[in-house]
Amino acid sequence: SAVISQKPSRDICQRGTSLTIQCQVDSQVTMMFWYRQQPGQSLTLIATANQGSEATYESGFVIDKFPISRPNLTFSTLTVSNMSPEDSSIYLCSVASGGFSGNTIYFGEGSWLTVV
Amino acid sequence: QKEVEQNSGPLSVPEGAIASLNCTYSDRGSQSFFWYRQYSGKSPELIMSIYSNGDKEDGRFTAQLNKASQYVSLLIRDSQPSDSATYLCAVDSNNAGNMLTFGGGTRLMVKP
Repeated sequence: SAVISQKPSRDICQRGTSLTIQCQVDSQVTMMFWYRQQPGQSLTLIATANQGSEATYESGFVIDKFPISRPNLTFSTLTVSNMSPEDSSIYLCSVASGGFSGNTIYFGEGSWLTVV
Repeated sequence: QKEVEQNSGPLSVPEGAIASLNCTYSDRGSQSFFWYRQYSGKSPELIMSIYSNGDKEDGRFTAQLNKASQYVSLLIRDSQPSDSATYLCAVDSNNAGNMLTFGGGTRLMVKP
């Protein structure tokens, strides 16, 4: 499995500001994903980060609010823009690692954001 | 709308007992199934993956899959207090890793 590092691990942010979360993987991976986990909730996929092209966003998530970069096969960033308290969540970077039977999703340690 | 359903719990079992966690899914075309464990304040950690009907055992954990019934379960034998966590069932509809749907999770409490 890949080793996934996220920064920051935790932050307290002011309403109206933006924060960029970085994700570094120790090996080249084709597919990287960003998930959100709101307090007491399960995980929801925000977008798939595509290398060399725009990210693919899931329903309910838009590029203006969550711009994503994927400059190479080991790195991606997610920006949470114009934050409000509703954006207080864990943001998780994940990668798909292939095996004999198919891909498995592994998660980084997460970035815990609190918006005040 | 693809759905993955889990009983939110908490499921409380005594130490040493078998904990049984259940999950149903709506997309009959789903191909890959995963169980993640999430401790409070931590990110999800993969425990088991299963792709074929039947049982798959790994140490104290057994995953069971029944595609006809659209049902996947996780059994934890000899439950320990350290197993106390939220267990997330996840289903991948296209086996490419980019259509993973998570259930709401079941909170397991193992009492000493």
